[in-house]
Amino acid sequence: NAGVTQTPKFQVLKTGQSMTLQCAQDMNHNSMYWYRQDPGMGLRLIYYSASEGTTDKGEVPNGYNVSRLNKREFSLRLESAAPSQTSVYFCASRDWTGTHLPKNIQYFGAGTRLSVL
Amino acid sequence: DAKTTQPPSMDCAEGRAANLPCNHSTISGNEYVYWYRQIHSQGPQYIIHGLKNNETNEMASLIITEDRKSSTLILPHATLRDTAVYYCIVRLLQGAQKLVFGQGTRLTINP
Repeated sequence: NAGVTQTPKFQVLKTGQSMTLQCAQDMNHNSMYWYRQDPGMGLRLIYYSASEGTTDKGEVPNGYNVSRLNKREFSLRLESAAPSQTSVYFCASRDWTGTHLPKNIQYFGAGTRLSVL
Repeated sequence: DAKTTQPPSMDCAEGRAANLPCNHSTISGNEYVYWYRQIHSQGPQYIIHGLKNNETNEMASLIITEDRKSSTLILPHATLRDTAVYYCIVRLLQGAQKLVFGQGTRLTINP
């Protein structure tokens, strides 16, 4: 059980290049998320997918697109990278299940460190 | 989501219990208290959550005051690997999708 897996771990892009960050979860969760974290700051939600086939904007969606390929996979695409997109990107999935105490817990991947020159 | 207040930093000796406080005086009756931590350069990690009763799992214990206006996360036998930023988050079970992380408490475990 790997949890949430992100690839690649590191990436350097030139301004204007495009790339796709991959995320997969093996926990059968319905909801998945993409956050970015800039140095010394908290996480900001870029996009999320409440369930397979749906995606919604978060608080900082400009410059990004997402695809919920299936229940397991949720990818984030930068069409034309800009230096302002230099950040650490985290993918997460959400567990709703629970017995004596309902959950609503997000589980995070290890992150993708992206530098745009 | 209710606002939380945490001390910016704390120190604890290895092997001792680390007690991290959190104030959430504006918490509403149906909001839960969640704790996450972020070890340097890693993704945030869920620790524990509760509504009004004390909770314990393999990682930690959560003590919530009777009036629910504050809580304490207890790491019973802190190790060097527990050095991290700890976030107390108060949120509804349903509804808002994103997690809002405040400034958290930077816990340093000293040998």
